[in-house]
Amino acid sequence: DQQVKQNSPSLSVQEGRISILNCDYTNSMFDYFLWYKKYPAEGPTFLISISSIKDKNEDGRFTVFLNKSAKHLSLHIVPSQPGDSAVYFCAASATGANNLFFGTGTRLTVIP
Amino acid sequence: GAGVSQSPSNKVTEKGKDVELRCDPISGHTALYWYRQSLGQGLEFLIYFQGNSAPDKSGLPSDRFSAERTGGSVSTLTIQRTQQEDSAVYLCASNLGLATYNEQFFGPGTRLTVL
Repeated sequence: DQQVKQNSPSLSVQEGRISILNCDYTNSMFDYFLWYKKYPAEGPTFLISISSIKDKNEDGRFTVFLNKSAKHLSLHIVPSQPGDSAVYFCAASATGANNLFFGTGTRLTVIP
Repeated sequence: GAGVSQSPSNKVTEKGKDVELRCDPISGHTALYWYRQSLGQGLEFLIYFQGNSAPDKSGLPSDRFSAERTGGSVSTLTIQRTQQEDSAVYLCASNLGLATYNEQFFGPGTRLTVL
């Protein structure tokens, strides 16, 4: 049973435009959310996170938005760059849990 | 400093054989996690080690899977009598283990193919 869902397996965006990656979750106990980025043949690397007490967190070109009532979060990348082309995983955790719950990933392609 | 390393990077085995996958976490990280990613799936939690505490094995899919962590550092994931559905990328991660809020640092993974 997939508790974290990324319904778009792929996304293509022109360089300089905004990329919006979406993630939905079902477990209301989740209180911390993370985005990881993965290049081929490498492990995922942490990108940005947000606590459930916030609805927005920004770090440079990356912003994560959290809508708790809709159990939805999104990652905005602006402006998108070709080096952003990778697979992006959404992950969630709950207080007291030992592990992260991951979505299936969205492959972002930024076209020069 | 060195990141999380895993070996081998690729492993091809025949159905029914046993395999061992190794993880070297970042020095000083007390928490170690194993995940696997099957084709088209997200990362699936397998097992968690924290210091000298009993591991959280709640994610292991069957009793053919086991893991140990010697001396609080290196970990080995063992899959006995491998099946074709075990084919996946096995990822190891580590962190300071203060909470899952802390970033987990991932290794490059071991791609296991069971023929």
